[in-house]
Amino acid sequence: AQSVTQLDSHVSVSEGTPVLLRCNYSSSYSPSLFWYVQHPNKGLQLLLKYTSAATLVKGINGFEAEFKKSETSFHLTKPSAHMSDAAEYFCVVLKTGANNLFFGTGTRLTVIP
Amino acid sequence: DAGVIQSPRHEVTEMGQEVTLRCKPISGHDYLFWYRQTMMRGLELLIYFNNNVPIDDSGMPEDRFSAKMPNASFSTLKIQPSEPRDSAVYFCASSFALTGSFQETQYFGPGTRLLVL
Repeated sequence: AQSVTQLDSHVSVSEGTPVLLRCNYSSSYSPSLFWYVQHPNKGLQLLLKYTSAATLVKGINGFEAEFKKSETSFHLTKPSAHMSDAAEYFCVVLKTGANNLFFGTGTRLTVIP
Repeated sequence: DAGVIQSPRHEVTEMGQEVTLRCKPISGHDYLFWYRQTMMRGLELLIYFNNNVPIDDSGMPEDRFSAKMPNASFSTLKIQPSEPRDSAVYFCASSFALTGSFQETQYFGPGTRLLVL
């Protein structure tokens, strides 16, 4: 069965410093992986998705993620954090054979001025 | 396109009352999903439809919950009778059909924040 584990429930960074949000996946097949962001009291917005094309995926707002099969990881990074990046981030896997998503537990990103 | 539209955005009701949440998917999308988000359980899939037909309702918590999709542009999630433990944010999402290995993105609505007193 496909699943994802987000290794940190809360990450705090200073504005202008790099962001790293960690996600490991479990899948018997080459998975489809996503990162979604949820700002306070808002809906979920897709940041980026991996679908077995390039292993380095670029998303919106300067975020990117690298699919590493050897490490079963799909970590989300950004070179320089902005105050507007403060939000909850979800690593998500598409369940093979079904058209539904399995969400990780989320990582809350705090950006310190 | 206006995106996925959900109404109401907020709902406060008393225990025992019927609650109906509404969703309008993005035009042309063949799949519609209902999710629930709580602090305790995170985001959970409740049910999803393909071409207006329920495909997987294994996430529906109990018989008090029901969902319908009478046409391609409208779906409802009903709770009757409602209980305080149903308090959550309910999201609707839609996507195009899967095509071979191309995994289509699910687009989420803004959610309905439900509070059952």
